Amino acid sequence: RKEVEQDPGPFNVPEGATVAFNCTYSNSASQSFFWYRQDCRKEPKLLMSVYSSGNEDGRFTAQLNRASQYISLLIRDSKLSDSATYLCVVDSYTGTASKLTFGTGTRLQVTL
Amino acid sequence: NAGVTQTPKFQVLKTGQSMTLQCAQDMNHEYMSWYRQDPGMGLRLIHYSVGAGITDQGEVPNGYNVSRSTTEDFPLRLLSAAPSQTSVYFCASSSRAYEQYFGPGTRLTVT
Repeated sequence: RKEVEQDPGPFNVPEGATVAFNCTYSNSASQSFFWYRQDCRKEPKLLMSVYSSGNEDGRFTAQLNRASQYISLLIRDSKLSDSATYLCVVDSYTGTASKLTFGTGTRLQVTL
Repeated sequence: NAGVTQTPKFQVLKTGQSMTLQCAQDMNHEYMSWYRQDPGMGLRLIHYSVGAGITDQGEVPNGYNVSRSTTEDFPLRLLSAAPSQTSVYFCASSSRAYEQYFGPGTRLTVT
């Protein structure tokens, strides 16, 4: 089983739609969780951290469910510019340093 | 403020050749790391460093060496290139392990 699993998509949605991605992780000792965004042939960039209480940043909402070991990202009112791959990232402390594990990403395509 | 820079952007090597991928950051970050990204595999950690003079192996270190003589630079050396090392390589830096800033990547092809 992969440490971090995501549906690769693609998710094809019209502009203005709401779309949600889920991610599951296998290490119950994982401590921190993030969503990164990666545009085609570009580097990943931090989109937002995911807190236990859930957090929102504009049109983006992230949720964490530790009991079920999954993380979600909700995008409301999708824009064409949201088209990208969204990477779920889990941080597990090894005892000497943090270890980030990346999911393979979920591709989103927003269309007119 | 350039952030994280990587050179070269593209490289083609023949099997058995060696080369060094350069990475530099100007944000005074202590933590730097190298990843490779392959289709369907996600980003995988090759080596990382928590400060000058300190390096450690990641998930896929075989065939690669690193050193960290300064805070700014973290080169990745391919000792004897193999086709399995064809990939996109990203260098990243951060002041804390999770807020990582990535360089633009190096696309390496080994024939």
